[in-house]
Amino acid sequence: AQSVTQLDSHVSVSEGTPVLLRCNYSSSYSPSLFWYVQHPNKGLQLLLKYTSAATLVKGINGFEAEFKKSETSFHLTKPSAHMSDAAEYFCVVSAYSSNTGKLIFGQGTTLQVKP
Amino acid sequence: GAVVSQHPSRVICKSGTSVKIECRSLDFQATTMFWYRQFPKQSLMLMATSNEGSKATYEQGVEKDKFLINHASLTLSTLTVTSAHPEDSSFYICSGTLNSGQGNEQFFGPGTRLTVL
Repeated sequence: AQSVTQLDSHVSVSEGTPVLLRCNYSSSYSPSLFWYVQHPNKGLQLLLKYTSAATLVKGINGFEAEFKKSETSFHLTKPSAHMSDAAEYFCVVSAYSSNTGKLIFGQGTTLQVKP
Repeated sequence: GAVVSQHPSRVICKSGTSVKIECRSLDFQATTMFWYRQFPKQSLMLMATSNEGSKATYEQGVEKDKFLINHASLTLSTLTVTSAHPEDSSFYICSGTLNSGQGNEQFFGPGTRLTVL
């Protein structure tokens, strides 16, 4: 069965410092992996996705993630945090290899950005 | 980009009443829509998969008679919470599937906050 584990429920950084949100996955086949962001009272927004192409994936707003099969990880990074990055972040894996659209969400990481 | 809307954004109802939530894909046709619920400070849990013109597929533990899903057209799916109780209070989110040249992508609605008194 597919699953994702977000290793930190809460991450706090200062504005201008790097961001690292950790995610490990479990999959019986080559997975599709995603990072979504959820701002209060707004819909989930796709930051980036990995679908077996380049292992380093660049997303919107300066975020990127690296797929590491040997470590079963898909950590999200950003070189310099901005106040507007404060939100809830979800690491997500596709449920089936047939790309049905079914997704399994991690528990979420709350990113706090301090001035 | 593709847009999904939900209506209402917020609803408060009395225990025992039924509430209908609409999910619309505004600028694309979604053959498949998904319904999730999210409790405070928690993740999204998939409730059901809604396919246009056919019965919804429910996840284990989700009561199909409690959460009625209708997908009458390629742009509209509805979730009706029947005989709502306080434990049904939650944030309900839908998503629509857009099949692009790069595979399927999910677009999420802004969510509906249901409070049952």
